[in-house]
Amino acid sequence: AQSVAQPEDQVNVAEGNPLTVKCTYSVSGNPYLFWYVQYPNRGLQFLLKYITGDNLVKGSYGFEAEFNKSQTSFHLKKPSALVSDSALYFCASDFSGGYQKVTFGTGTKLQVIP
Amino acid sequence: GAVVSQHPSWVICKSGTSVKIECRSLDFQATTMFWYRQFPKQSLMLMATSNEGSKATYEQGVEKDKFLINHASLTLSTLTVTSAHPEDSSFYICSAADSANYGYTFGSGTRLTVV
Repeated sequence: AQSVAQPEDQVNVAEGNPLTVKCTYSVSGNPYLFWYVQYPNRGLQFLLKYITGDNLVKGSYGFEAEFNKSQTSFHLKKPSALVSDSALYFCASDFSGGYQKVTFGTGTKLQVIP
Repeated sequence: GAVVSQHPSWVICKSGTSVKIECRSLDFQATTMFWYRQFPKQSLMLMATSNEGSKATYEQGVEKDKFLINHASLTLSTLTVTSAHPEDSSFYICSAADSANYGYTFGSGTRLTVV
């Protein structure tokens, strides 16, 4: 079955340090991959997406992600974490590429420590 | 960028009553909209997919008679929780497919509490 996995429930990082939030996918084709961020009691905000093209995708608020087909991964990264980055992050995929359905990972809570 | 407005942001209702949640795409036309439910500290669970002018497609285990979805125009989809019970209390989020930018834009969510 097609799926998206976020292996870490929580990631803690010190302010100013680089951060990585992991995401792997399982699909039989070329997935469309997304990262979203959610603040408490809010909807999801779009960070970035990979559809095709360059494997390194740059997104909002200084975040970037690298699509790695051989490792079936799409990890979210930021060179220098801010306290305000603390939130819940979701990796997601539209495996069909046709607005049929978006599959979400279980989410990773990022805690940036001052 | 694409904006989706979801209203209300929170609502408290009595058991047995119905609640309607609206989801509007403000600056683009959304042929397809999605409704999700999110439990505390959990991921989003897709409830149904609605296409403008046709019946919604519900995910397995979601009661279509309880969660009524209407997508009568290209900018508005509504979710009505009928005869609400405390177990329906949850955070409901809508999303609209933005075909111009290939992506999905989410509403800000509705916190429903049934007492």
